[in-house]
Amino acid sequence: NAGVTQTPKFQVLKTGQSMTLQCAQDMNHNSMYWYRQDPGMGLRLIYYSASEGTTDKGEVPNGYNVSRLNKREFSLRLESAAPSQTSVYFCASSEARGVNQPQHFGDGTRLSIL
Amino acid sequence: GENVEQHPSTLSVQEGDSAVIKCTYSDSASNYFPWYKQELGKGPQLIIDIRSNVGEKKDQRIAVTLNKTAKHFSLHITETQPEDSAVYFCAARSRAGGSYIPTFGRGTSLIVHP
Repeated sequence: NAGVTQTPKFQVLKTGQSMTLQCAQDMNHNSMYWYRQDPGMGLRLIYYSASEGTTDKGEVPNGYNVSRLNKREFSLRLESAAPSQTSVYFCASSEARGVNQPQHFGDGTRLSIL
Repeated sequence: GENVEQHPSTLSVQEGDSAVIKCTYSDSASNYFPWYKQELGKGPQLIIDIRSNVGEKKDQRIAVTLNKTAKHFSLHITETQPEDSAVYFCAARSRAGGSYIPTFGRGTSLIVHP
């Protein structure tokens, strides 16, 4: 039972490089989310996908794009990485929108931008 | 939008003592309040949740209380053990457009000294 799987676990980029963070869930959940976690800031929502085929901006979307590839997969793309995007990124999923169900999180991608 | 404040940011207790973490929220329409535990190098994991039609919920050494009038909820851990040491996050889930989105507090680092 893998739950939510994130790849890669660690990545170092140079300023201006691009990369895509991958996330997949095997729980047949409708909703998926991308967060960033910075010291003392908690979890801040970047983008979410309430259901397959839809995506919406969260609190801190600037500099990021997302793709809901299918029901299982939700990717986060940094087109031109900046040092301010150094963070730990978490993907999460939950059962359905409009239903009070908890989120299930992956173990994160630790991203450093030099 | 929703705003969630969490206190304290750090809590240090002796093994066997009780620990209390408090959160306040701003949106009176919020109706679901989960608590997550995050161990070092891992993603957050749900430990207990409460819905707005309930005032208190217990699960062994963990309890959550909710005061909807005052818009605050608290996590209580009794008989703390060293393995309870972690970062704890509260969240409040409210409606944003057509979806229900959780807003997280900034986290409490709990340290249990043996």
